[in-house]
Amino acid sequence: EVQLVQSGGGLVKPGGSLRLSCAASGFMFSGFSMHWVRQAPGKGLEWVSSITSSSNHIYYADSMMGRFTISRDNAKNSLYLQMNSLRAEDTAVYYCAREGFSGYEIGLDVWGQGTTVTVSS
Amino acid sequence: QSVLTQPPSASGTPGQRVTISCSGSSSNIGNNYVYWYQQLPGTAPRLLIYRNNQRPSGVPDRFSGSKSGTSASLAISGLRSEDEADYYCAAWDDSLSGLAFGGGTKLTVL
Repeated sequence: EVQLVQSGGGLVKPGGSLRLSCAASGFMFSGFSMHWVRQAPGKGLEWVSSITSSSNHIYYADSMMGRFTISRDNAKNSLYLQMNSLRAEDTAVYYCAREGFSGYEIGLDVWGQGTTVTVSS
Repeated sequence: QSVLTQPPSASGTPGQRVTISCSGSSSNIGNNYVYWYQQLPGTAPRLLIYRNNQRPSGVPDRFSGSKSGTSASLAISGLRSEDEADYYCAAWDDSLSGLAFGGGTKLTVL
């Protein structure tokens, strides 16, 4: 079964750090670009960052640039998001997602279950 | 404020056809493919439409997408109660070098 299983969320104080993980199974992880998308309570989806299959292209949303770092370990079939200098407005459910590919990109076709990050003192 | 603009809400009765619009600019919809996602309450989003009008396997043909210029739309025909969800459009934005989402449209089946 193709799936993404997330871990690493929790409660952190403003200014603190947290590392999210996303473990892939059921597909060749090393062949796909991956994304992080977040959703603040009661709000819409917000794209966070993406990384290509071999990590040679990495993109961030402006508000996360310099604070968040996306990375992957293809040998471990895992995606990561290191979040530093966290602010209250980073409170959200964070999703990892696979960018599907079938000769061409077909969108974010597999999603993790989501992990909650709460930034509060 | 989202880069892509969607109406916050839409509604219809069972069996009806509803459309949800998504407005952007030349740096996103005008120059890139549009994707649509469905999010049922309390669940992760699900890919509904890719490359403007293509359906992944398993998505009913009641769902269809279209694009014209810098706007796109999602149509749902034969509306069913299980279609009640939030719908999001998305497109890569060349100016932002990032993926842009619409603010989402909450569909209510009356």
